[in-house]
Amino acid sequence: AAGVIQSPRHLIKEKRETATLKCYPIPRHDTVYWYQQGPGQDPQFLISFYEKMQSDKGSIPDRFSAQQFSDYHSELNMSSLELGDSALYFCASSGPGGPEAFFGQGTRLTVV
Amino acid sequence: DAKTTQPPSMDCAEGRAANLPCNHSTISGNEYVYWYRQIHSQGPQYIIHGLKNNETNEMASLIITEDRKSSTLILPHATLRDTAVYYCIVSPLLAYNTDKLIFGTGTRLQVFP
Repeated sequence: AAGVIQSPRHLIKEKRETATLKCYPIPRHDTVYWYQQGPGQDPQFLISFYEKMQSDKGSIPDRFSAQQFSDYHSELNMSSLELGDSALYFCASSGPGGPEAFFGQGTRLTVV
Repeated sequence: DAKTTQPPSMDCAEGRAANLPCNHSTISGNEYVYWYRQIHSQGPQYIIHGLKNNETNEMASLIITEDRKSSTLILPHATLRDTAVYYCIVSPLLAYNTDKLIFGTGTRLQVFP
């Protein structure tokens, strides 16, 4: 069965650079969630989208923005990167077919 | 903030049942109990969810107390591959697209040979 696809899997950026993370939800899923997991921490909710509209917002820095496109894929844009942005970034999707959310394998961002 | 309390760590012998408790004393009437696990930096994996009845699937069983203030996830025959952090999360049903999963600190389950 198709799963949530995230790209890239690994990304290395320098401070003050910009990064774009991509998420392709499970087909027919209309809701996408983004999470950040720092080293040794638990996943923290950043933002979510339903039918291409922002549905909820968590502890997402103002330097970050995200959107969901017409094909339901989502992108997380991160600007002015800081060392503290180094983390695993997970995307999850859910849809009308079931009440659970499925997670991708994540993007490991390292800021140097 | 997370609305659940879990022990930080537990051990279990391979082949034995692993019983992971979770307290959620402030759960609302429309909130479900979800369980996810995360195996070493992989994406969290859905295990099971329930509202008030006990649930069972191919991975685990979920026992929810009658007052719904606590629950127990049961892995009937733990294997080494079940070593992971297990998260108990309360949330309205995600199918209505207006809510999200809030992760707490979870229980780190170590299965030993």
